[in-house]
Amino acid sequence: GQQLNQSPQSMFIQEGEDVSMNCTSSSIFNTWLWYKQDPGEGPVLLIALYKAGELTSNGRLTAQFGITRKDSFLNISASIPSDVGIYFCAAGANNLFFGTGTRLTVIP
Amino acid sequence: NAGVTQTPKFQVLKTGQSMTLQCAQDMNHEYMSWYRQDPGMGLRLIHYSVGAGITDQGEVPNGYNVSRSTTEDFPLRLLSAAPSQTSVYFCASSYSSTGFYNEQFFGPGTRLTVL
Repeated sequence: GQQLNQSPQSMFIQEGEDVSMNCTSSSIFNTWLWYKQDPGEGPVLLIALYKAGELTSNGRLTAQFGITRKDSFLNISASIPSDVGIYFCAAGANNLFFGTGTRLTVIP
Repeated sequence: NAGVTQTPKFQVLKTGQSMTLQCAQDMNHEYMSWYRQDPGMGLRLIHYSVGAGITDQGEVPNGYNVSRSTTEDFPLRLLSAAPSQTSVYFCASSYSSTGFYNEQFFGPGTRLTVL
């Protein structure tokens, strides 16, 4: 099936630092989504992107839909302890394909 | 709105047993789907439905059946459980499967262990 390459796999950062993660694909997609998953919970939608080149913010989170429609990145500014979790990218036209996740640890 | 609900939250089965994982949504969403989540593999699509009476296979459908008799409910049936089906199962729904409305909302998951 389709594969989204998400990197990095894990990150350990100090509280207050900025974070950047990205997702690439060999296929073109019409939609890119970013989710966060806390332990024992289902993924929660953070940001949805629908146009190539689109840059969207949600509080301290900013995500961009790559101009080639084959990639996306997510930035988190001024990280706080509650940012800890696993972040997933997802992309699709009808059904969604998911990346393998970036596990974020924030050190107070 | 309760959103997407799943039952049970935890389940242990013996090899060969069958069971049904329940999923319901109260958002009048057309599209519903089932994923399994295994360590290091992200979420993989098992089956999906674009509306009542319509279902289709995803990436990993073998060993699972679904039906969609109502808009609200989308149960996942394990026909004869195998240890390889030990996983966390998530149900998700969205208003539509295309365009601007395929933002999927997830349930809390069912953690299944097959011995």
